[in-house]
Amino acid sequence: AQSVSQHNHHVILSEAASLELGCNYSYGGTVNLFWYVQYPGQHLQLLLKYFSGDPLVKGIKGFEAEFIKSKFSFNLRKPSVQWSDTAEYFCAVNAGTNAGKSTFGDGTTLTVKP
Amino acid sequence: KAGVTQTPRYLIKTRGQQVTLSCSPISGHRSVSWYQQTPGQGLQFLFEYFSETQRNKGNFPGRFSGRQFSNSRSEMNVSTLELGDSALYLCASSPSRASGVYNEQFFGPGTRLTVL
Repeated sequence: AQSVSQHNHHVILSEAASLELGCNYSYGGTVNLFWYVQYPGQHLQLLLKYFSGDPLVKGIKGFEAEFIKSKFSFNLRKPSVQWSDTAEYFCAVNAGTNAGKSTFGDGTTLTVKP
Repeated sequence: KAGVTQTPRYLIKTRGQQVTLSCSPISGHRSVSWYQQTPGQGLQFLFEYFSETQRNKGNFPGRFSGRQFSNSRSEMNVSTLELGDSALYLCASSPSRASGVYNEQFFGPGTRLTVL
């Protein structure tokens, strides 16, 4: 069975600080990896995804993530956060070519102070 | 393209009742998945439908069921509601193209179900 672990439940940063959110997954086969963001009152939106190829993927709004296969990790980074990045962030994994069943981490709430 | 739509957006029911939630996927998407989101359990996978067939199922009791129609629209039903069923129910659609081509899920706004 797949599982996803997000290390931080709540992160508080000041504007312009750098962000790194940890995500580790447990699965023995090929995986697809995702980071989603849920802004207050809005639905889940895809930030970035990794299927194959370059392990460093860039997403929207200046976010990027690095897939490290040997560590089963897919950490999310942003060099300089803004107040508008305040949201809940979810790491997710699904296996193989079937996108229909994703396993999500518990989420990390990011609060950015102006 | 229009996004994933879910109706109703909010629902209040009492224990023992049943409820039906509806999801319209993005045009052309054949896979529809349902998730339950609660503060305590996070996002939990319920089931996935593809071409009117249930393709994957999560670890939820049989009170939770679903179906998909020929136009890919999907409904989920919860019978004999319990207080613990209060949650945000999310629907996600995916193109689910041929094997070897990877797909992502697009989420709807959810239906907020409150069980009293």
